[in-house]
Order: sequence, then structure tokens, then C-alpha cells
Amino acid sequence: GENVEQHPSTLSVQEGDSAVIKCTYSDSASNYFPWYKQELGKGPQLIIDIRSNVGEKKDQRIAVTLNKTAKHFSLHITETQPEDSAVYFCAARIQGAQKLVFGQGTRLTINP
Amino acid sequence: DAGVIQSPRHEVTEMGQEVTLRCKPISGHDYLFWYRQTMMRGLELLIYFNNNVPIDDSGMPEDRFSAKMPNASFSTLKIQPSEPRDSAVYFCASSLGGMGEAFFGQGTRLTVV
Repeated sequence: GENVEQHPSTLSVQEGDSAVIKCTYSDSASNYFPWYKQELGKGPQLIIDIRSNVGEKKDQRIAVTLNKTAKHFSLHITETQPEDSAVYFCAARIQGAQKLVFGQGTRLTINP
Repeated sequence: DAGVIQSPRHEVTEMGQEVTLRCKPISGHDYLFWYRQTMMRGLELLIYFNNNVPIDDSGMPEDRFSAKMPNASFSTLKIQPSEPRDSAVYFCASSLGGMGEAFFGQGTRLTVV
């Protein structure tokens, strides 16, 4: 089955700097890659996603890149703000399947 | 819509007791997923339903776990008997179509003592 590895497990950056979180997946049949943000005491919330027919997607300060050949995708957050502090999860979904396989999560801390 | 609603938010129970977690998906969504989150194993899919029918329960850890979806607006996850290693946060999520965005509830934090 699909396996998703996520790095780093913790990340601390200064406010205003950029943060990058990386994930790799194992099944080349995966074609959907969402990123979720989980704040303390809440459920994961989708912040951006990308499908395998595109290489990059942006939404304001957030961008995701996908390299299908290498089977890895990354989340980029620019101009970080204190409210970006949270746990971020990447996930992958195999084409034709409905279930998401999640990475282990990255705890991002933005230092003022 | 109020989003996916789970109850209770917190549950503390003694080992051996039955525990029932509840979920109300977003109205109109036809997929419902139950996840378990622990520090050691992260987010694991336990089971999911399509149009109230269980499709894949391969993630259910043991026979002590069971899930039902009697109608489109309600699902339960039951653990009987509960054990300390079942302590985790259990999330319910729903989506419109299996390929759509999954919306998560706030979760139920279960502690078995």
C-alpha cells in the first residue's frame, strides 16, 4: 500500500521567514496530494492540495510543488506569521481509491 | 453548515467499559471516514462508508472495534471492551464524492484508564 514520509518532524522559524515541509510517497498511482493544518484541540483543515497533472499551485503565502518522477511534494509558506504555528500533515491518495494516507506531521513554530 | 459534528469531545472511561463515539457528517456528503490519531502512529484510517455502506474496514484494529452508519446523517464507532491502548483522538470526516476534500470534525479525545 501507499506509504508517506514527512520531514522534518519539528520546524522552528523566525516570523517573516519561509518554511518548507517535504513529503515523499511510495505508490506511483497516487494522484492527489492535500496538505492539512491542525491547530491545538481542532481537527485537520485542508489548506491547499495539488493533483498529479500540475507541478505547482499557489494560494497567497502558501504554495505546493510536486515532482512525480521523484515522488515527492513540498509545502512552502512565505512571510510566516505567528498564526501559522500548528501541526501540518501531508497526505496522498491513490487514483481510484477514496482513502488518504497521511504523513506523520510537522510541528511548525513561528518565533516572534 | 455547522461542519462535521462529533460527540462527546472528551471521554474518560475505565478499562473494560463500552465506549461509543458519535458523528454527524456534513449534510449531502456521501462519504464518511473514521480516523484515529496517536503520537506513535499518526493519523490512521479505521473505516469508511459510502452512502451508509461500509466500504473498507481494513484499518479497524481488532474485533473490539465496530462502526455503523444507520442513515446519512449519523455514524457511530464503538469499542467494546475498551483498553488503555485505545486512548487516542478519534476523528470523523466526510466528503462529497470520494475524490473531494475531506472535512474533519473536532475529534473525540478518548482516555481509557
